[in-house]
Amino acid sequence: DAKTTQPNSMESNEEEPVHLPCNHSTISGTDYIHWYRQLPSQGPEYVIHGLTSNVNNRMASLAIAEDRKSSTLILHRATLRDAAVYYCILRGSGGGADGLTFGKGTHLIIQP
Amino acid sequence: DAGVTQSPTHLIKTRGQQVTLRCSPISGHKSVSWYQQVLGQGPQFIFQYYEKEERGRGNFPDRFSARQFPNYSSELNVNALLLGDSALYLCASSLWTGVVYEQYFGPGTRLTVT
Repeated sequence: DAKTTQPNSMESNEEEPVHLPCNHSTISGTDYIHWYRQLPSQGPEYVIHGLTSNVNNRMASLAIAEDRKSSTLILHRATLRDAAVYYCILRGSGGGADGLTFGKGTHLIIQP
Repeated sequence: DAGVTQSPTHLIKTRGQQVTLRCSPISGHKSVSWYQQVLGQGPQFIFQYYEKEERGRGNFPDRFSARQFPNYSSELNVNALLLGDSALYLCASSLWTGVVYEQYFGPGTRLTVT
């Protein structure tokens, strides 16, 4: 799987939007961009994924650059419950049998 | 629907001992994966099983083994425990959406080796 680069940590205020960046300059044409997050003392949970177009779901939005070398996870209105480690992961179509490759992710801190 | 369940929640073992961790996937999910998460790091892939067959293996020694049962539940076994095996062990079951696999993780088993 291609490598991703994320900031170690970010801080935001409650009820404000949060933009979490991810760089993936070596992404291949068939790689999907997945985001997972891990709340304290829990296993990771799926957030969103996309290929080329921007994506929205009930949890977040994913904005993908036109050249696909970077993407941004957007939490529209952060709550304290959104404090977690966020992982940006590239995955080929079909997934394969080699599991998800997690980096260190971005530790998101939400201030009340 | 119940999520992925794992047992036990915590356990403490001594170096050299053997341990078995258990996982029940979400109903209808046929694929189970195991991950090891050392404190401060992201999860590292150990195994993937689909329909009782090993489909993928990460860079872990042969002391680590797993199996999947006809009801799709799974066990992870670790022999000859080392201090470095202390970690959170995560199980995930997968749902094929038609385009990608979405993985659903359990809460993990915290293993401490002393």
